[in-house]
Amino acid sequence: AQSVTQLDSHVSVSEGTPVLLRCNYSSSYSPSLFWYVQHPNKGLQLLLKYTSAATLVKGINGFEAEFKKSETSFHLTKPSAHMSDAAEYFCVVEKGGGADGLTFGKGTHLIIQP
Amino acid sequence: DGGITQSPKYLFRKEGQNVTLSCEQNLNHDAMYWYRQDPGQGLRLIYYSQIVNDFQKGDIAEGYSVSREKKESFPLTVTSAQKNPTAFYLCASSRQALNTGELFFGEGSRLTVL
Repeated sequence: AQSVTQLDSHVSVSEGTPVLLRCNYSSSYSPSLFWYVQHPNKGLQLLLKYTSAATLVKGINGFEAEFKKSETSFHLTKPSAHMSDAAEYFCVVEKGGGADGLTFGKGTHLIIQP
Repeated sequence: DGGITQSPKYLFRKEGQNVTLSCEQNLNHDAMYWYRQDPGQGLRLIYYSQIVNDFQKGDIAEGYSVSREKKESFPLTVTSAQKNPTAFYLCASSRQALNTGELFFGEGSRLTVL
C-alpha cells in the first residue's frame, strides 16, 4: 500500500528566505506524486505534480519539487518566501488506479515571518 | 467562471439531526468526491462517484450518505449515526473517473454539532 509522510507539521521562515517542505513516500512502484496548497478556510489547489516524466517539477507561484527515487522523497521548495505563501501544504501520493486512489499527507503549516 | 460551489459555508446542528451539504460543479467533470478534514489529519475520503447514479464508499463512509442524480450535483448527508460529525467537509471533482490526482476543490463547509 502507498503511504506518504510529511516530516514537519509546522515550518516557519522569514520573508525572502528559502522554503523547504519535506515529504517521503512509500510505494511498491513509481507512483504519481502531488503537492496541494490550502489557504485558511478554503479548498485545496494543485501546486504541481510528478507523473514519471522529468524528476524536477515546476509548479505555480515559483514552487518546485524534485522526485528522488533513491531517497523516496518529493520535497517542495521555493527560493524566496512571500507573505502570501502562508498556508497548509499537502503531499499526496496516487495509489495506482481507481477513482479513490489518493492518499493525503497530514499537512505542513507554513508560517512566514515578516 | 467554472468551478465547484459548496453550501452552506458554515452549519450548526444539534445532536440527533441529519444535515445535508450541497456540492454543485459546472466543470462537466465525471467524477466527484467528498472528503473530511480534521486538524492535523489531512483529508480522508468519505464517498466518491464516477458516474451519474453510481457511487462508492471511501475510507470513512459510516454515518454518511450521498446521491448522484445529476452529473453536476453530489450532495452529502451527515446522519445522526455519525458519532463525531464536527469537521470541515470538502467536495472535489476530476475530469476522469480514474483519478489522475488533479482534483478541483470547493471552498468547503464547516459543520459544528452543538
